[in-house]
This record gives sequence, C-alpha cells and structure tokens, in this order.
Amino acid sequence: EVQLVESGGGLVQPGGSLRLSCAASGFTVSSNYMSWVRQAPGKGLEWVSVIYSGGSTYYADSVKGRFTISRDNSKNTLYLQMNSLRAEDTAVYYCARSEKLVGATTYYFDYWGQGTLVTVSS
Amino acid sequence: EIVLTQSPGTLSLSPGERATLSCRASQSVSSSYLAWYQQKPGQAPRLLIYGASSRATGIPDRFSGSGSGTDFTLTISRLEPEDFAVYYCQQYGSSQYTFGQGTKLEIK
Repeated sequence: EVQLVESGGGLVQPGGSLRLSCAASGFTVSSNYMSWVRQAPGKGLEWVSVIYSGGSTYYADSVKGRFTISRDNSKNTLYLQMNSLRAEDTAVYYCARSEKLVGATTYYFDYWGQGTLVTVSS
Repeated sequence: EIVLTQSPGTLSLSPGERATLSCRASQSVSSSYLAWYQQKPGQAPRLLIYGASSRATGIPDRFSGSGSGTDFTLTISRLEPEDFAVYYCQQYGSSQYTFGQGTKLEIK
C-alpha cells in the first residue's frame, strides 16, 4: 500500500528555517517524480517544487532561492528545506507522487500525504 | 506560466442534479497534462481525472472529464451527498505545475 507521511511542521519566526520530511512506503521515491504542494489557510492549492527521478529539481517562482527539495534514497524519504521564511509561506504542506511508468511519466498527483502545517509568525 | 481559471467560483446544486465545472487555460494545454482533484475539508486532495478524460482508480463513473486546448470540463452526472466539496484542475508544462483557484460545490 502506498503511503506518504509528512512531518516537521511547526511555528517559526519570519526569517527562520524549517525542514519538512515525507516518509514514503509502498513504492520507491527515487524512481518517481515527487512534489511539494502547499495550501494557505482557506486558500487554494499551490505547487511548490518537484524532484525528478533523475535528480533534476524545479521550483515555483515564489520559493526559488529560498527552498530546496531533496531526497534520501536509503530512507525512501523526501525533504523540503525552507529558509528565509515569510508570513506568506504559512500553509499546510503536502508531499505528492507523480508516478514514473515504464516508457512514460505521469504529470498528475496520484498519492498525497496528510499534510503538515507550517506557521510563520512572530 | 500557464494560468488556469475555474468557473464558477461556487456552484449551488441539489443531490441528483448534474454539475458542470469549467477550467480555462491562458494558453493551450496538452490534454495529457490536465487533471482534476476533489478536496473535502481537512483532507488531502484526491485525484479524480487525469489526461483530461481518464478516471482514476476507484472513481465512480458519474465523474467525467472532457475538453482540449484551453477549455476543459468536469461533469458530475448525478450528484451524491458525498460529492459536495472543492474541485481543482491542474496542468503541467515546462517543468512547472499550476492549479486553478478551485470551484466550491455546495448543497442548495
């Protein structure tokens, strides 16, 4: 069974840092495309970042230069290092999978974690 | 960046009625890269439709997707009480993903 479990959220002051983790089971993180998607309170979904199976990474303009996505293949875990946090980064952060099939890659999110709340406030 | 605009913002219908949700892109989107999600309060989004018209595993056949180019539609043929939720469209292009702002489907 595919499962994604996020952790690491919490309250942080503006300008601070936080690292989110997403532990995966039932599939191999490094063989798929993995993203972070966030949702500010009462707002819609915003894609944040993706790491491809080959290791390439991409970011939304709103977080470029401040956030870093990575993975630990030995732990089958995805990470999001968030630096220089701002009030507008306050959101529930979800990790999500885009499955890489034999001969094709999907670009939709078929599995999601339950989310972890990040609050940036003084 | 491709912008997705969903309409209406809120749709008020009764169980048993038909729901039609629209997603319009600022430029042409490959149908292969257009998906729809359902989100209920306090829950993660759930994939409904991918490739503009293919239902995800376990999704009832009352949900259907259609469209191409810049105009896409999610149709729920006969609303069940559990279908009242927020719906998002999503596209991929040039290593960027974007979501529409959502349509809230509420009970009339």
